[in-house]
Amino acid sequence: ETGVTQSPTHLIKTRGQQVTLRCSSQSGHNTVSWYQQALGQGPQFIFQYYREEENGRGNFPPRFSGLQFPNYSSELNVNALELDDSALYLCASSLVSGSNSPLHFGNGTRLTVT
Amino acid sequence: TQLLEQSPQFLSIQEGENLTVYCNSSSVFSSLQWYRQEPGEGPVLLVTVVTGGEVKKLKRLTFQFGDARKDSSLHITAAQPGDTGLYLCAGAVSGTYKYIFGTGTRLKVLA
Repeated sequence: ETGVTQSPTHLIKTRGQQVTLRCSSQSGHNTVSWYQQALGQGPQFIFQYYREEENGRGNFPPRFSGLQFPNYSSELNVNALELDDSALYLCASSLVSGSNSPLHFGNGTRLTVT
Repeated sequence: TQLLEQSPQFLSIQEGENLTVYCNSSSVFSSLQWYRQEPGEGPVLLVTVVTGGEVKKLKRLTFQFGDARKDSSLHITAAQPGDTGLYLCAGAVSGTYKYIFGTGTRLKVLA
């Protein structure tokens, strides 16, 4: 069973640039959620994708967008990067859409915006 | 805004000691999960509790969900250095697809 994999592991970008982060979900999982974890804090929900559509979103501006592909892999795109976007971005896959489904996390992408 | 507050934020104890971590909210959750996260890795699920008053045991770890499904606790008996890590509680928000994560408790167990 292949777990959740994220790429790249680390990334440094300049303020105003755009970034794309990638996630391959665990085998058999059809739902992908993205979380932002700032240093010293718990993860914050960005959005969730199920059947290639966004079906839930947290308090993040529209410059945070995503995609889910037919193979259930996903991308997180962030436009017009700001210094406060520096964080660990975590992808989590689950078996079904909805609450109570356990989340299986990848090891994250550490994004630094300078 | 739904918040989950964890206490304590930091805990440093000697091997063999017992400890309890608390997770509190004014909101009701349909379920609550506990995760452990180690440096450079994503959180790993320890347990899910669903029913108010539910108690689950996982070896030396005991998890309890409050009767009103607003709070939870994690008790570790005879802590070991391998228990070191960031412990996160996460509440499932009814009718939505998101989890609210707590601020985390960073535990260090000294040999």
